Amino acid sequence: ETGVTQSPTHLIKTRGQQVTLRCSSQSGHNTVSWYQQALGQGPQFIFQYYREEENGRGNFPPRFSGLQFPNYSSELNVNALELDDSALYLCASSRTSGIQETQYFGPGTRLLVL
Amino acid sequence: RKEVEQDPGPFNVPEGATVAFNCTYSNSASQSFFWYRQDCRKEPKLLMSVYSSGNEDGRFTAQLNRASQYISLLIRDSKLSDSATYLCVVNIRNNNDMRFGAGTRLTVKP
Repeated sequence: ETGVTQSPTHLIKTRGQQVTLRCSSQSGHNTVSWYQQALGQGPQFIFQYYREEENGRGNFPPRFSGLQFPNYSSELNVNALELDDSALYLCASSRTSGIQETQYFGPGTRLLVL
Repeated sequence: RKEVEQDPGPFNVPEGATVAFNCTYSNSASQSFFWYRQDCRKEPKLLMSVYSSGNEDGRFTAQLNRASQYISLLIRDSKLSDSATYLCVVNIRNNNDMRFGAGTRLTVKP
C-alpha cells in the first residue's frame, strides 16, 4: 500500500454534471499530481499541486480544476462533464516537486459519464 | 507523433524467458525516465528509474540512450508474477509533468 487514498472508488454521472474527486497524499508528501487514464491508454497528466499552488498543467481544458489544502490533500473538479471524461482518475503524491521524485499512486476513481 | 511511444505488444512468453521492451520519446529536453508497472485494474507502481549509465535491479535492467531518445527494459528469467502492463514514463519539465506511454502488456505463461 502506498498510503495514498482516493474517494470515491467509483462514480456514475450524466453529461453536463459536475464532479469532485478527492485524494489524500502520503504522510510527509507535499506534492499531488492528477492523471486521467482512458481504457487501454497510459495516464495523462492533468495538473500538479505543490504546497497549495498549481505547479504545472497538461493539455486539459479549464473545466478541469483543482485545489490543494494545507494538509496537502487535494481535489479534482470537473465541470460540464462530457462522455469522453469517462476514465480512471489517478492521483499521485510525492515528497516534493523534483524531477527524480518517486510518485506514489492511489487506487484511482473510476468515473463513468452517461 | 506521440511524446512517448512503446512497443504495442502484447507479449506472451513462457516462464524463464527473457523479454525486452522498447520505448522512444520525442522531446529532447526530457530530464528523467522511469518504468512503471500496472497490474490489471490497479494503479501504476514504480518499477525502476532509468539512468544514463544504465541500471539493474535483480532480473530487471534498464537502459537509456539520450542520443537516440530511446529507453529499454529487459526482464530476465520471467516469472508468472511479472505479468502486467509496463509503462514507459518521461519527465519533460522541472516538475513532475510525467508523460506516460500507452504501455506494453506482458503475459508470462507456465
